[in-house]
Amino acid sequence: SYVLPQPPSVSVAPGKTARITCGGNNIGSKNVQWYQQKPGQAPVLVVYDDRDRPSGIPERFSGSNSGNTATLTISRVEAGDEADYYCQVWDTTDHRGLFGGGTKLTVL
Amino acid sequence: EVQLVESGGGLVQPGGSLRLSCAASGFTFTTYSMKWVRQAPGKGLEWVSYISSSGAIISYADSVKGRFTISRDNAKNSLYLQMISLRAEDTAVYYCAVSGWYSWDGMDVWGQGTTVTVSS
Repeated sequence: SYVLPQPPSVSVAPGKTARITCGGNNIGSKNVQWYQQKPGQAPVLVVYDDRDRPSGIPERFSGSNSGNTATLTISRVEAGDEADYYCQVWDTTDHRGLFGGGTKLTVL
Repeated sequence: EVQLVESGGGLVQPGGSLRLSCAASGFTFTTYSMKWVRQAPGKGLEWVSYISSSGAIISYADSVKGRFTISRDNAKNSLYLQMISLRAEDTAVYYCAVSGWYSWDGMDVWGQGTTVTVSS
């Protein structure tokens, strides 16, 4: 079955750039979404269709997707970015969703 | 403002049933597809079920197929998840989410979640 491996954790210093990857066989052929989830809160969409941002999401959040890897990039990381981040794809044929295992972003 | 409010969670014994509801407001409910996603304690997100805007297309995760039923009442701007034969592994926070606001492939706006605990 299709899986979306993510690194369990990523650490970054404030002001630096964080990159969180999401693997998957030929994931570049799918639309990838990214969600941010802070403790005790519901997830929030931060990137959709590989690289687009919903209104209200800072430009510091960007996405890319090619080949077997999708990447969420957070520039000029702030303490408030500390959260779990999940990638997600949708099977448009079977109408089924799949999430990556999640990555805990720690701001040092 | 788009708002989704889940309700109906609680404590239920193994083998029991629950019906979750999701009240939608701030958007034209009939235009958008809806999804249920759950999160077990300390675990990641798991997609549970999908229903198209008209209700004509429905799908389920293998883990709940045959036990859960998704439905919607477009006249009441409401989404439902009927759960039967509940198991301990169904214990989770259940979120409803709307799709199509930004992308049909994602979950654009989420509710705050309702907690289901399956335990004797």
